[in-house]
Amino acid sequence: NAGVTQTPKFQVLKTGQSMTLQCAQDMNHNSMYWYRQDPGMGLRLIYYSASEGTTDKGEVPNGYNVSRLNKREFSLRLESAAPSQTSVYFCASSEPGLAGFIGELFFGEGSRLTVL
Amino acid sequence: RKEVEQDPGPFNVPEGATVAFNCTYSNSASQSFFWYRQDCRKEPKLLMSVYSSGNEDGRFTAQLNRASQYISLLIRDSKLSDSATYLCVVNDGRYNKLIFGAGTRLAVHP
Repeated sequence: NAGVTQTPKFQVLKTGQSMTLQCAQDMNHNSMYWYRQDPGMGLRLIYYSASEGTTDKGEVPNGYNVSRLNKREFSLRLESAAPSQTSVYFCASSEPGLAGFIGELFFGEGSRLTVL
Repeated sequence: RKEVEQDPGPFNVPEGATVAFNCTYSNSASQSFFWYRQDCRKEPKLLMSVYSSGNEDGRFTAQLNRASQYISLLIRDSKLSDSATYLCVVNDGRYNKLIFGAGTRLAVHP
């Protein structure tokens, strides 16, 4: 079972370049998320999509845009990359858990991005 | 104050030891609580949810103290394969936002 698939796994960019991280899930989940993980910090939510056609900002949305292309796919775009965006990016999906609160998150393997 | 705080460790323990991790959270409206495990350079995976009554899964026991806003994870009879970073995760009172602690690193040695 593929679960959540992210591409690319590794990318090196120069400051000012743009790129899109792709994410797809095959579990028919409604909710999808993009997180970034930096050393010594917890995962921080960039954007999320509660359902197809909706997106909302998380904790650290500046410098990013997202597209929920359909129920399966949720992409993250860096329009003008900056060194501060060097990080590991994780896509995740979920269904509601108990009492409608967020349930288990299923993560992709991560995308390691370096901005020079 | 961070919303979810964990001791970063590392905790270096011998095989067979019992080890406990603690986590505090700041939002009294939080309703769901989890422990995730993250191996080096891998994605996080759910270890267990934490329920008000406490819960156990084999060698792992999780407890929640709402009054003190405190979550714990106890690992008994540690195995080499338990070496990983353990992430405390709490929801922020809204449905679709989880707050992750920075993680506690565990290293189990022979």
